[in-house]
Amino acid sequence: SQQGEEDPQALSIQEGENATMNCSYKTSINNLQWYRQNSGRGLVHLILIRSNEREKHSGRLRVTLDTSKKSSSLLITASRAADTASYFCATATQGAQKLVFGQGTRLTINP
Amino acid sequence: NAGVTQTPKFQVLKTGQSMTLQCAQDMNHEYMSWYRQDPGMGLRLIHYSVGAGITDQGEVPNGYNVSRSTTEDFPLRLLSAAPSQTSVYFCASSQIRGSGYTFGSGTRLTVV
Repeated sequence: SQQGEEDPQALSIQEGENATMNCSYKTSINNLQWYRQNSGRGLVHLILIRSNEREKHSGRLRVTLDTSKKSSSLLITASRAADTASYFCATATQGAQKLVFGQGTRLTINP
Repeated sequence: NAGVTQTPKFQVLKTGQSMTLQCAQDMNHEYMSWYRQDPGMGLRLIHYSVGAGITDQGEVPNGYNVSRSTTEDFPLRLLSAAPSQTSVYFCASSQIRGSGYTFGSGTRLTVV
């Protein structure tokens, strides 16, 4: 069974608004990663947060991690049409050697 | 740098045929993995490798074999193709433990 579950499965917002996606997982992790996938393309690594970190920023991205609740969130601020994509969380286990993905959130930014 | 290169990009197989999906990376990455992506299922890990000569099973290994004879290459073999193996296959690599993966552009496989 898959480790991570994203919520919501689909999200549609207006350009300029903030988008928040959540990820829950089941077992202890070494780190949690977020990826973006544009339609029909490969995945692109966005950000990694280690199990001993609580928050991390990269440009318009903000990731939080709550290991007590086994959950993470990805916030995209000031969304743009180019942010339209699917976003996946992935958890690294077994000494960070094994990366397992959730089912993803489909984000649509409306102009 | 080419990054992670997957070939072929598209393939149609008949049930029972075998084939090898190729994956090569030129970044000297130790970790490599194979995933399949089906609609509504996200990505599922098939096999992964932490270095030349070392492989391990992921979530859905049945029907697939891998080997890692060199750091650069990590081919995925379908032993006897089945319609259930119709999917998009992604290869990915990572430099070190605990860092992000670089993905290839995928192989779209249809088994009829």
